[in-house]
Parts: sequence; structure tokens; C-alpha cells
Amino acid sequence: GQQVMQIPQYQHVQEGEDFTTYCNSSTTLSNIQWYKQRPGGHPVFLIQLVKSGEVKKQKRLTFQFGEAKKNSSLHITATQTTDVGTYFCAGIDSGWDYKLSFGAGTTVTVRA
Amino acid sequence: DGGITQSPKYLFRKEGQNVTLSCEQNLNHDAMYWYRQDPGQGLRLIYYSQIVNDFQKGDIAEGYSVSREKKESFPLTVTSAQKNPTAFYLCASSMGGSDYNEQFFGPGTRLTVL
Repeated sequence: GQQVMQIPQYQHVQEGEDFTTYCNSSTTLSNIQWYKQRPGGHPVFLIQLVKSGEVKKQKRLTFQFGEAKKNSSLHITATQTTDVGTYFCAGIDSGWDYKLSFGAGTTVTVRA
Repeated sequence: DGGITQSPKYLFRKEGQNVTLSCEQNLNHDAMYWYRQDPGQGLRLIYYSQIVNDFQKGDIAEGYSVSREKKESFPLTVTSAQKNPTAFYLCASSMGGSDYNEQFFGPGTRLTVL
């Protein structure tokens, strides 16, 4: 079955620094979504990428979908304490119905 | 105020008992989902429903059951057959009908088996 892997599992960042989290799928995806879960909260949708090579930006967050549609990345610039939480990628296999397969997430902590 | 509600927020049960987790949405979404979240792991799909009176097993359906008698409601029963039921359970919904729809999550129910 489809597997979505995320690295790193944990990211400890100094406030103001940049970091990137990566998402890789064992199969080609029709789209990929990113969610953020704050500590003690529930996942909240951030963005969806559909096209090969697509790049989208949300303020300090840059999302990219790989050319082969099997990988994605989230890059955060000038990390702030509000960025604390777990970031999940989730993909839909191009051959399946509408089930999202979630990665294990990257848990981000920020040192002030 | 539209959204998804789950109740209760915390639930304790004795080993061997069945328990039902509630999930209600007023977003008029066709599709609803149940996920289980364990520490250090992503969300794992238990069951999903794309339309009323129909549902499919997800990746970890054993020991769970669901019903979808109304569009707004998708309750999950954790049966005594579930060997390790202590976890955080999340319900979600989406418009359905397409794989390009974001999922909206409820606040979750934290189940502890004593």
C-alpha cells in the first residue's frame, strides 16, 4: 500500500532561523496536502498542491510538489514561536479513491 | 457557527467494554472520516464514508465499527475486540466527490482504557 514518509521527525529551531521538512511517497500522488497541529489541538489544513513542480507560498511558508509527484517539502523562513507544532503531509494515491495517507509528521520546537 | 463537534473530549473505559465516540458536522459535507493518532505516528485511517448509508474500512478497521445513518453524524464504536484502544481519535469531514478537498477536523476524543 501507499506509504508517506516524513523527515525529520523532530526539528528544534532557533527563533529566526529557517528550516525545511520533507515528505516522500512510495507511489505517485494525485495531490498532496499539508496540515498543522498545535500542541493539544487538532490538524488544520494549510495548503494543497496538485500540479507537478508546483510551488505555493503563504507568508513565511513555502510549499513545493516534486516534478514526479512523489515528494514534497515545506520550508519555513525566519521561524517564530507561533510556528511550534507538528506539520503533517498527506497524499492521495492517484490510483485510489479519496483516502488521505498521512506522514508521521515533523514536530517543531522553537528556542527563543 | 459551522464545524465539527466530537464528544466527549476525554473518555475512560474499563477493559472489555464497548464505547461509542460521537462526531457531528454541520458543514453539509458528504464525506466523513475517523482517524486514530498515537504518539510519534501520523494519523491512521479507521473508517470513512463518502455518502449516507455507505462506509468503507480504512487501514486499521479491526476492532472498530461505524454507522452513517445521517449526513451529519458518523459515530465510531470501539469494541472490546480492539486490542490497544487507548489513543486520540479524530473525526474529519470534507466535501467529497473529488480528491481535491481539504479535510476539516474535530477537536478529538482522548480515549483511555483502564
